[in-house]
Amino acid sequence: GENVEQHPSTLSVQEGDSAVIKCTYSDSASNYFPWYKQELGKRPQLIIDIRSNVGEKKDQRIAVTLNKTAKHFSLHITETQPEDSAVYFCAAGDKLIFGTGTRLQVFP
Amino acid sequence: DSGVTQTPKHLITATGQRVTLRCSPRSGDLSVYWYQQSLDQGLQFLIQYYNGEERAKGNILERFSAQQFPDLHSELNLSSLELGDSALYFCASSPATGLAGELFFGEGSRLTVL
Repeated sequence: GENVEQHPSTLSVQEGDSAVIKCTYSDSASNYFPWYKQELGKRPQLIIDIRSNVGEKKDQRIAVTLNKTAKHFSLHITETQPEDSAVYFCAAGDKLIFGTGTRLQVFP
Repeated sequence: DSGVTQTPKHLITATGQRVTLRCSPRSGDLSVYWYQQSLDQGLQFLIQYYNGEERAKGNILERFSAQQFPDLHSELNLSSLELGDSALYFCASSPATGLAGELFFGEGSRLTVL
C-alpha cells in the first residue's frame, strides 16, 4: 500500500541554524506534497505545500524541494527560531498519507 | 480557529463500549477526512468522504465506521472499544474538489478507553 517515510524522527538545532527534514513516498501517482506543523497540544496546520509540476517552493524561511524521479521531498527551515519547535509532518498523495513526524527542538 | 468543529473534545469510556465522534466541516468544504493520532504517533489516515460519498479508505478497523450526512457533517463510530483505541481523533475538511489540497483540522476528540 501507499507509504510515506520521514526522517529524522527527532532533530535538535541551535537557534539560527538550518533544519532539514526528508520524506520518501511510494505512490508514484502522488502529485501533492504538503507539510504540517503541530505544536504541543494543538492541531496540525499547513505551513507549505508543493505540487508535482514544481521542483521547489519558498515562503520566507521555509522551503520545500521535490524530486519526483527519486520520490522524495524535503523541508528546509533556515535561521531557525525557538518558536519553530514543534512536530513536523509531511504528507503525500490524494489520500494525504502522513509521515511519522519529526520533533524539532530549537535551542536558544 | 480553523472553522472545523469536533465534539466531544474529551471522552472517557470502558472497553466494549461504542462511541460516536462528530465533525462539522468549514462552511463550503465538501471533503472530510478522519485521522487517528495515538500518543507520540503520527497521523493515521482512516477515511475520506466527499459530498456524502466515501472517497478513500485507509487503515480503518472493521469495528470503526463513518458517514457524511447531506448537511456535510460527518460522524465516526467506534464500537467494541479496546484499550488500544485510546487516541486523539482528528477530523479535517478541505475545499479541494478535484486534486488534494489544504486540510483544515479541528481541535480533535480525545478518546480514553479504560
